[in-house]
Amino acid sequence: GAVVSQHPSRVICKSGTSVKIECRSLDFQATTMFWYRQFPKQSLMLMATSNEGSKATYEQGVEKDKFLINHASLTLSTLTVTSAHPEDSSFYICSAMTSGGVYNEQFFGPGTRLTVL
Amino acid sequence: GENVEQHPSTLSVQEGDSAVIKCTYSDSASNYFPWYKQELGKGPQLIIDIRSNVGEKKDQRIAVTLNKTAKHFSLHITETQPEDSAVYFCAASNSGYALNFGKGTSLLVTP
Repeated sequence: GAVVSQHPSRVICKSGTSVKIECRSLDFQATTMFWYRQFPKQSLMLMATSNEGSKATYEQGVEKDKFLINHASLTLSTLTVTSAHPEDSSFYICSAMTSGGVYNEQFFGPGTRLTVL
Repeated sequence: GENVEQHPSTLSVQEGDSAVIKCTYSDSASNYFPWYKQELGKGPQLIIDIRSNVGEKKDQRIAVTLNKTAKHFSLHITETQPEDSAVYFCAASNSGYALNFGKGTSLLVTP
């Protein structure tokens, strides 16, 4: 299957600072990438849909000014958590969708564990 | 919007037995149904998927069935092994749109 990487895998930061997470599709081009967050023992919650070259579409309840998403190329999307607070601590996972077919598969990155002190 | 229900939430089987996880969906427009396996601290891994134009798909010990009329699909794992222990998520989507996930099933395979 297709490979998606995330960096960093783990980050600890102080409250009030900003953190950037990168998501890369390594062996395919992804017109669309998705960002999810996952709390312990819970399912994945979609935060936003990121399309290359256009503004991200955020799910209801997700603050677009707090979670900045940039999809500058067909292989890279970034999520920046601005002015992070302890309640932003979570497991953030991106996925990249293959394109060109009728049914588009999504492949997930390994996730980023964010801890805000 | 789409609502995906998944059962059971936890499942314990003995090594060698079969495991079955069931999901239902609400949106008749959904046409893509993947299953993901997630190990602790890792991202979900696609293990099998099925499109709405087929009723069953098999890949070695893993099979998925789809009943479009009843709007449910199931994951079947045969001859389970301890390394199958993980959380399994079903999902549904209308191709090209975001996945709607079930709440997950924690599978434990005991030796």
